[in-house]
Amino acid sequence: NAGVTQTPKFRILKIGQSMTLQCTQDMNHNYMYWYRQDPGMGLKLIYYSVGAGITDKGEVPNGYNVSRSTTEDFPLRLELAAPSQTSVYFCASSSPGLAGVETQYFGPGTRLLVL
Amino acid sequence: SQKIEQNSEALNIQEGKTATLTCNYTNYSPAYLQWYRQDPGRGPVFLLLIRENEKEKRKERLKVTFDTTLKQSLFHITASQPADSATYLCALVSQAGTALIFGKGTTLSVSS
Repeated sequence: NAGVTQTPKFRILKIGQSMTLQCTQDMNHNYMYWYRQDPGMGLKLIYYSVGAGITDKGEVPNGYNVSRSTTEDFPLRLELAAPSQTSVYFCASSSPGLAGVETQYFGPGTRLLVL
Repeated sequence: SQKIEQNSEALNIQEGKTATLTCNYTNYSPAYLQWYRQDPGRGPVFLLLIRENEKEKRKERLKVTFDTTLKQSLFHITASQPADSATYLCALVSQAGTALIFGKGTTLSVSS
């Protein structure tokens, strides 16, 4: 199993450009997540999905959009890139346990620089 | 809202000593708590999960405790090695049970 894969690994965007960060998992997990990680700030949840066709906002959703048409894929869309979106983005997946989401499996991350 | 804090941003210890990292939480009583390891430039990797009815859990040189009265978890690495140097993240499940809330992490440096 490849686990969670993310593309691209690194991208430079100009202010106002748009792009899609790709995320795919091959573990048949229902739950998928997008986080951003800024230096010293920990992981902040952007959006998550509990299954195909179902998405919900996390702590910092502004400026982003997601869709979940299949179990495997959970792309993150930036419509109008801003310097504040410079960050490292991580995708993760998991299965629900008896008391809620348990082990999360993370991708390698996408480093985004907006200039 | 739920809040999770890891007391130290950085911890420096000598090889062979025991490292102890602290995680505190407020405004919530989670059913379980997790610990992850993150190396520079990589995604977090799951280490241990401890449930509210478990006082202690062990995995090789790792030990986690969970005190629901103090609302605190302690993460211990015994006989630490330079290879243990990394950032360690504490996470608890949200009240809705659909997401994890992460602490900012503690960066451990083990010197030989």
